[in-house]
Amino acid sequence: AQSVTQPDIHITVSEGASLELRCNYSYGATPYLFWYVQSPGQGLQLLLKYFSGDTLVQGIKGFEAEFKRSQSSFNLRKPSVHWSDAAEYFCAVRQGAGNNRKLIWGLGTSLAVNP
Amino acid sequence: GAGVSQTPSNKVTEKGKYVELRCDPISGHTALYWYRQSLGQGPEFLIYFQGTGAADDSGLPNDRFFAVRPEGSVSTLKIQRTERGDSAVYLCASTDRDGDVTSGYTFGSGTRLTVV
Repeated sequence: AQSVTQPDIHITVSEGASLELRCNYSYGATPYLFWYVQSPGQGLQLLLKYFSGDTLVQGIKGFEAEFKRSQSSFNLRKPSVHWSDAAEYFCAVRQGAGNNRKLIWGLGTSLAVNP
Repeated sequence: GAGVSQTPSNKVTEKGKYVELRCDPISGHTALYWYRQSLGQGPEFLIYFQGTGAADDSGLPNDRFFAVRPEGSVSTLKIQRTERGDSAVYLCASTDRDGDVTSGYTFGSGTRLTVV
């Protein structure tokens, strides 16, 4: 069965520092991978996605992620964190093809940003 | 509409009661999804509609849960004989036919259901 692991439940970084949030997935074929952000009281917002092509994908708000098949990982990165990035971050995987549209989600990583 | 609208935003109900949660997707989006998010967890898939029909309802936890989308637009999630364990935020999302890959899901703000 597919699964998504986000090993870090909570991360605290200083404003201006770099950030990497880890995501590992379990899926036999090439997955469709997503990162979403959820701010307090707000809905889930898509940061970026990968389903083929260049393994380094750029997203909104200065985020990027790299798909590494050999490590079954899709880590999210940002070179310089802003205080407004404090939120919950979710990695999700969708089966790559066919009519199965459901996303399997990780438990999330809560990001706190120190001034 | 401009976004996915979910009503009510909050619902408190007594154990054993029946509740309906409504989702109004983005106009023209053919695919609609329901997820449930418990505190401290990621969203959990419930059901997915393509048009009027449920393409995948494998996530519905039991027969107390049912969802409809009679005209291929608005969807209603119905929960009978509510239990305290049903307390969660119920999220709705929509996409055009293949939009979950091309542009991702657009989520509503959710309905927070509390069963007391």
